[in-house]
Amino acid sequence: GAVVSQHPSRVICKSGTSVKIECRSLDFQATTMFWYRQFPKQSLMLMATSNEGSKATYEQGVEKDKFLINHASLTLSTLTVTSAHPEDSSFYICSAKQERYGYTFGSGTRLTVV
Amino acid sequence: SQQGEEDPQALSIQEGENATMNCSYKTSINNLQWYRQNSGRGLVHLILIRSNEREKHSGRLRVTLDTSKKSSSLLITASRAADTASYFCATEQGFQKLVFGTGTRLLVSP
Repeated sequence: GAVVSQHPSRVICKSGTSVKIECRSLDFQATTMFWYRQFPKQSLMLMATSNEGSKATYEQGVEKDKFLINHASLTLSTLTVTSAHPEDSSFYICSAKQERYGYTFGSGTRLTVV
Repeated sequence: SQQGEEDPQALSIQEGENATMNCSYKTSINNLQWYRQNSGRGLVHLILIRSNEREKHSGRLRVTLDTSKKSSSLLITASRAADTASYFCATEQGFQKLVFGTGTRLLVSP
């Protein structure tokens, strides 16, 4: 079956620094990748949709300069949280879509900004 | 917000009982999917129902879809302690993105 690998699973960073999260589809090429954010005991909020080789489409209210998304290949998308602050602390989950497998989710990254 | 609503927000039952969760959404959809999430983990896909389907079964799961009411329900029969998790509905909308509902936290006690 389809597997999406997301790294790191946990990261703690200092306020003001940037953090990069990777999302890889391991055994399939993803036509589209998605990034979600989840606060404790809440639902997943879609942040952006990315297609290989093109700019990401951000949802309303998501700062594109804050959350940089790069989709360099059909198997890799990265989310960089720039100049992170404590309010950026959250659980970030990626998803990859492929016609045959539908949506496959990574295991998530818990970001803590101190 | 396009996000769907789920109710109840939380549900506590005993093992062996059935659990029913409801989902309402706002826009036209291609399909509706249900996912499970154990605490602090990724999502597990449970079942997908297309917009032209009304009911679907998978093991102990039964999903219904009423597009006229823009609602769906997930029934878990003969629940087990291992079913304890958060359950989310998600609708695939026109531009092929998944929008999640607010979720139901299910607690199944032994």
